[in-house]
Amino acid sequence: DVKVTQSSRYLVKRTGEKVFLECVQDMDHENMFWYRQDPGLGLRLIYFSYDVKMKEKGDIPEGYSVSREKKERFSLILESTSTNQTSMYLCASSTGTRQPQHFGDGTRLSIL
Amino acid sequence: QKEVEQNSGPLSVPEGAIASLNCTYSDRVSQSFFWYRQYSGKSPELIMSIYSNGDKEDGRFTAQLNKASQYVSLLIRDSQPSDSATYLCAVAGYSSASKIIFGSGTRLSIRP
Repeated sequence: DVKVTQSSRYLVKRTGEKVFLECVQDMDHENMFWYRQDPGLGLRLIYFSYDVKMKEKGDIPEGYSVSREKKERFSLILESTSTNQTSMYLCASSTGTRQPQHFGDGTRLSIL
Repeated sequence: QKEVEQNSGPLSVPEGAIASLNCTYSDRVSQSFFWYRQYSGKSPELIMSIYSNGDKEDGRFTAQLNKASQYVSLLIRDSQPSDSATYLCAVAGYSSASKIIFGSGTRLSIRP
């Protein structure tokens, strides 16, 4: 079974703090993705990566950056948090384009 | 027009009946289609993948694809209360740079 592990289930931070969300997959998947999910807005893609050190902007990249230094690890960075970044953050991985994505358990981030 | 459209529901079905979930998509050259189940507060879980026209069955689940009509559906036979969840339809396009596009989901409620 594919295992996608996100470092935290719940996080509470204050506005202006820098936050790192870590994601690790154990299936040697090429592709990794970061989404946020908000009520009524569905899943929105923030960033994705098709290879080590490679990144592509998704639909809502503003206020976020990512890092992929190793194939199995994809980090989402919130440089200076704001309250509108309170959300459920989901990491996913897949073997390739047009293949299903497998999700981690998610991180519920609250910015106070 | 949204790229992947689903009725948000809630869809209420009596226990033991067939639940029918529908999804339409706008990209005519879409190649891969997925159904995810998401329980409240949890991450999406892949339940079905379908790549060619017709039906694909897996246990109580049947996915149906009609590319000419740009329509994909999920049937759940002998519905159980544990099937109560939000079901996300996801579609992957043709190009190598394509991403999976998720619908906003249909909330299904199985009443005892």
